[in-house]
Amino acid sequence: GAVVSQHPSWVICKSGTSVKIECRSLDFQATTMFWYRQFPKQSLMLMATSNEGSKATYEQGVEKDKFLINHASLTLSTLTVTSAHPEDSSFYICSALRFRGEDTQYFGPGTRLTVL
Amino acid sequence: AQSVSQHNHHVILSEAASLELGCNYSYGGTVNLFWYVQYPGQHLQLLLKYFSGDPLVKGIKGFEAEFIKSKFSFNLRKPSVQWSDTAEYFCALLSSNTGKLIFGQGTTLQVKP
Repeated sequence: GAVVSQHPSWVICKSGTSVKIECRSLDFQATTMFWYRQFPKQSLMLMATSNEGSKATYEQGVEKDKFLINHASLTLSTLTVTSAHPEDSSFYICSALRFRGEDTQYFGPGTRLTVL
Repeated sequence: AQSVSQHNHHVILSEAASLELGCNYSYGGTVNLFWYVQYPGQHLQLLLKYFSGDPLVKGIKGFEAEFIKSKFSFNLRKPSVQWSDTAEYFCALLSSNTGKLIFGQGTTLQVKP
């Protein structure tokens, strides 16, 4: 149990376009989802926390207008990278909590974004 | 400030060698610590976690970690590694204030057959 999927697994886009990444909890309802960014050979950096039905909470330094997060249902959160630029190229990973107060996050497989 | 530091960035071992990956943290609150593993092309998986009680925690696949409060450490160990242990290993701290995970830089383990 506690499987999280992401779609797409990789995407290549042109500079200036927008890209949407989906994060789904397949066998549970996720009250909270997290979005991370991972640069090569570096750690995961939390971008934002997403709670179903409310606005996402962004970490300091993360542009909310650049990285739009929508958590419309208990099984789906989306991250849209708007007007993508080459510096947005990265590995984006989501995770989910099965219930409030749970201590263990379940991670998706990640999405590799390359902006040309 | 809350932080997690992993000293070894890249470790290369031969099969059957013993493994110890270092993890130190800086946090003033209640300590909840994790080790995650990321196999090539796969998602992060939980190896083990420490919340309270016995400071020696056993996880999956023969891994264990010891929480030493006086050293602010939570090192990961395995007595005999296998080629299939080749992966990226992340130590993480759960902030009791924010509920957020703070990750270390990660350690790449390469096991030679």
